Amino acid sequence: QVQLVESGGGVVQPGRSLRLSCAASGLKVSAYAMHWVRQAPGKGLEWVARISRDGITTDYGDSVTGRITISRDTSKNMVYLQMSGLKTDDTAVYYCAGDRGGGPLDDWGKGTLVTVSS
Amino acid sequence: SYVLAQPPSVAVAPGQTATVTCGGPNIGSKSVHWYQQKPGQAPVLVIFNDGARPLGIPERFSGSKSGSAASLTINRVEAGDEADYYCQVSDTGRIFGGGTRLTV
Repeated sequence: QVQLVESGGGVVQPGRSLRLSCAASGLKVSAYAMHWVRQAPGKGLEWVARISRDGITTDYGDSVTGRITISRDTSKNMVYLQMSGLKTDDTAVYYCAGDRGGGPLDDWGKGTLVTVSS
Repeated sequence: SYVLAQPPSVAVAPGQTATVTCGGPNIGSKSVHWYQQKPGQAPVLVIFNDGARPLGIPERFSGSKSGSAASLTINRVEAGDEADYYCQVSDTGRIFGGGTRLTV
């Protein structure tokens, strides 16, 4: 059974940095494309970032490009989201999701809440 | 950037059929996926590649596409189907519709 567990969320001041982690079990991050999707309070889903199955290609949403980096550690079966220059608009639940075949996001974690506030 | 349009809300009586639409430019050339999200929970994939159902999703859920819109249809709606529904396509990255609140 696939399980994705996000961690690293919390309250952070504007302009600071934060790293989110996603621990995967039941799937190998080396065999999946992995994504981060966020959801601001009371709002819809927003795709944030993707790392390809081979780990070579990364893509980012327009609102986070330049401030966010997605990475993975296949030896630990972990995916990360490094966020810098955080803004209040980055306040959201951040979900880690796995993608088996380049289209839908098949498996999701429960999310971790990031609150950017002074 | 690519935008998917969904109605903000749909209301249906129990036992009836609910249809949620998703429109976007050239959507006919893209594979559309649908997610269900209940309050306080993570999204769950309910339809992929326009009309395929993942294992464990009831046959009451179906998807289709025609012209410039895709549709998610839920037959014999139950109270437990009350949720937000999002469509999604792949473009540069992944694009989500704004979501539709289904009220039963």
